[in-house]
Amino acid sequence: ILNVEQSPQSLHVQEGDSTNFTCSFPSSNFYALHWYRWETAKSPEALFVMTLNGDEKKKGRISATLNTKEGYSYLYIKGSQPEDSATYLCALRYTDKLIFGTGTRLQVFP
Amino acid sequence: DAMVIQNPRYQVTQFGKPVTLSCSQTLNHNVMYWYQQKSSQAPKLLFHYYDKDFNNEADTPDNFQSRRPNTSFCFLDIRSPGLGDAAMYLCATRPHIESPDTQYFGPGTRLTVL
Repeated sequence: ILNVEQSPQSLHVQEGDSTNFTCSFPSSNFYALHWYRWETAKSPEALFVMTLNGDEKKKGRISATLNTKEGYSYLYIKGSQPEDSATYLCALRYTDKLIFGTGTRLQVFP
Repeated sequence: DAMVIQNPRYQVTQFGKPVTLSCSQTLNHNVMYWYQQKSSQAPKLLFHYYDKDFNNEADTPDNFQSRRPNTSFCFLDIRSPGLGDAAMYLCATRPHIESPDTQYFGPGTRLTVL
């Protein structure tokens, strides 16, 4: 059974702090790695899709990197804001299916 | 805006009483998915459709059924809900099988079983 692990499980930071979390996985034999942001009472929103070793993606203050050889992806948030508070999910895509991690729940305090 | 809609957002049912959750999409996507997420766990795929072609995950309980009467709508039926079926149920879509695109999610239905 494939296991996608995310750490930490939860994170509390002050507004303005930069933060990062990890998604780790056992295999490089997948189609893509996806990051989602899931705010309370809303739909999970796609942030990034990464496919190649060394991929780096950026969207505003949020960026992500992928290392398929060592089996991890990092998500960085620079200068966290209260509106960044959400659960961040990573998922590996095998054929047409997603295997999710349990998520990192981020709380940013003003 | 095109989107994935789930109704109801919150559903309360009694132990053993059948319940149906619905999902609709205005994206005209070929593929639709149902996920179950229990507290503090990863979302877990229950089944998915390629158009009308139904694909059940091996470990999805028989208690869970699905219907897709047309491209836009998909239903999740839980025939005899148990306390362990209390969870968030997410619907998602994707354009077609070969699409490299991400999945598009609805906001979920939170099911409570009393």
